[in-house]
Amino acid sequence: AQSVTQLGSHVSVSEGALVLLRCNYSSSVPPYLFWYVQYPNQGLQLLLKYTTGATLVKGINGFEAEFKKSETSFHLTKPSAHMSDAAEYFCAVSANAGGTSYGKLTFGQGTILTVHP
Amino acid sequence: DGGITQSPKYLFRKEGQNVTLSCEQNLNHDAMYWYRQDPGQGLRLIYYSQIVNDFQKGDIAEGYSVSREKKESFPLTVTSAQKNPTAFYLCASRRPGQGNQPQHFGDGTRLSIL
Repeated sequence: AQSVTQLGSHVSVSEGALVLLRCNYSSSVPPYLFWYVQYPNQGLQLLLKYTTGATLVKGINGFEAEFKKSETSFHLTKPSAHMSDAAEYFCAVSANAGGTSYGKLTFGQGTILTVHP
Repeated sequence: DGGITQSPKYLFRKEGQNVTLSCEQNLNHDAMYWYRQDPGQGLRLIYYSQIVNDFQKGDIAEGYSVSREKKESFPLTVTSAQKNPTAFYLCASRRPGQGNQPQHFGDGTRLSIL
């Protein structure tokens, strides 16, 4: 069984400030981890993913995330927030169970990011 | 460009009525998924399909039905048995294989009760 916890349903930052969105996961097998972004009334867009290898993953729009197995975390960061980053962000986990899988994702509850001028 | 098309963007349902949400993809993906999104609850899996003519219930399948007669299409029917259908519905697809392949999403259908 897998689960994802996103700490903080709302995060507010000033333009130019560091963005930190927290994600902790639980998985009985090595996980694949994803961050998605959703703008109002739109679908989800993939920001980045961790599968294997390098634990620091770079994504689109200047975002990056670090997989920390010991902390079961996959926090999303961006050094300097832009107004266009305002959106809802979702962390998701998929099981790396070996063999063919259905690629089912378990999502966190989402974090709404507000960026103030 | 390849992508996932959901229609309609907005849909209204009367009491006792079944409605069908369309999802079409031209990404040549084998697997397709339907999610329901409610504020503050993330995305919850309704149904998924790995191949044509096969589909599985997700976490909240009651009151919903699907079909997968073509690789490109995965329509979702919200039946009258679904007592709280008001939500944002998202369709997704992915390439086959291990769970490291990301899901790609359509732009959603917002369903409301009249």
